[in-house]
Amino acid sequence: QKEVEQNSGPLSVPEGAIASLNCTYSDRGSQSFFWYRQYSGKSPELIMFIYSNGDKEDGRFTAQLNKASQYVSLLIRDSQPSDSATYLCAVNVIQGAQKLVFGQGTRLTINP
Amino acid sequence: DTGVSQDPRHKITKRGQNVTFRCDPISEHNRLYWYRQTLGQGPEFLTYFQNEAQLEKSRLLSDRFSAERPKGSFSTLEIQRTEQGDSAMYLCASSSLGQGNSPLHFGNGTRLTVT
Repeated sequence: QKEVEQNSGPLSVPEGAIASLNCTYSDRGSQSFFWYRQYSGKSPELIMFIYSNGDKEDGRFTAQLNKASQYVSLLIRDSQPSDSATYLCAVNVIQGAQKLVFGQGTRLTINP
Repeated sequence: DTGVSQDPRHKITKRGQNVTFRCDPISEHNRLYWYRQTLGQGPEFLTYFQNEAQLEKSRLLSDRFSAERPKGSFSTLEIQRTEQGDSAMYLCASSSLGQGNSPLHFGNGTRLTVT
């Protein structure tokens, strides 16, 4: 079993709708959780991080964390074509240093 | 703040050659990380430094790979006797110890192609 699992997609969402991306992880001791966006041929770009159970909102993005169920999700409201990218979920498996374990990413396409 | 800088952006080399990549972290960051990403996969942790000390190395980092951060500023990653399986994007990132779990910010990466 992979440590961090994501549906590879592609996930297709109409423009203006809500895109929902999900991620599960296996290590119950995981401390912090991250969502990165990666455009084709580019490096990952940090979108959000979350440490505590519940929701965290930043503009059109909301990260949700449920440690009991070991899942983290990312909601993108009012999806735009520019949101089309691969979204990587990452989990920090140790305290302090950023030794991240990434999922394989979900490819999201926003259709105009 | 110019962000994390990596050089070169692209490198094409023949199998068996040695290559070296450079990373300049964000200036006030004392932690520096190397990750590797192959097509269709998420990045994989290779190693990290706190100042000039290399604190952890992944088992992915074979004996052909060596990383240094001699003065606690820039870092180099060398791959000796390259193999086709080394073809990947090599990503550098940095963070600040003083901010606890300060998130990683990646550089633009070095894309290595071994022919």
